[in-house]
Amino acid sequence: ELKVEQNPLFLSMQEGKNYTIYCNYSTTSDRLYWYRQDPGKSLESLFVLLSNGAVKQEGRLMASLDTKARLSTLHITAAVHDLSATYFCAVDKTNFGNEKLTFGTGTRLTIIP
Amino acid sequence: DAGITQSPRHKVTETGTPVTLRCHQTENHRYMYWYRQDPGHGLRLIHYSYGVKDTDKGEVSDGYSVSRSKTEDFLLTLESATSSQTSVYFCAIGQRRGGRETQYFGPGTRLLVL
Repeated sequence: ELKVEQNPLFLSMQEGKNYTIYCNYSTTSDRLYWYRQDPGKSLESLFVLLSNGAVKQEGRLMASLDTKARLSTLHITAAVHDLSATYFCAVDKTNFGNEKLTFGTGTRLTIIP
Repeated sequence: DAGITQSPRHKVTETGTPVTLRCHQTENHRYMYWYRQDPGHGLRLIHYSYGVKDTDKGEVSDGYSVSRSKTEDFLLTLESATSSQTSVYFCAIGQRRGGRETQYFGPGTRLLVL
């Protein structure tokens, strides 16, 4: 059974600081996704990582994937209040055209002015 | 915007009653999914569909059934609602971007079973 673990579960950080969210998963997969969710809202797709060593960046967020270590990271640079949200990673455990995603429990990020 | 709507957006029902949630998409995507979101569990896959009349179970399918008679509609039915099915339900579609499928989510349905 695929397990996806995120840490930390809660993160409170000051504006301007850097931090990293970690996503570990238990079985082989080379497709990992990051989503953002604001309170009471739906999930927004942030990054799709499709191979070992993949790195994607959007603004102050950068995601990377190490399939050998079964680890993905979401790095936040010089945090701003607008980044406050819950972040989920999800792993695709199929090798077919469709996806069956297993989600982590999420990291609730709060940026303090 | 992946053109996904869900109805109803909020529902309160009583234990033992049947409930049907609807997911509607406007872009003719083949793959559709139903998830539930609960605190401490992230999102968990209930059922998914890979075409009209083609559906399969996810990890938490007990107590739920689905139907897809048209490409654009994917229905989730709670045959006899229980309090443990109180949750937020999200529909998703699989959309091919950059050569791979990525899932895009609807706005969600908040269901309270009393």
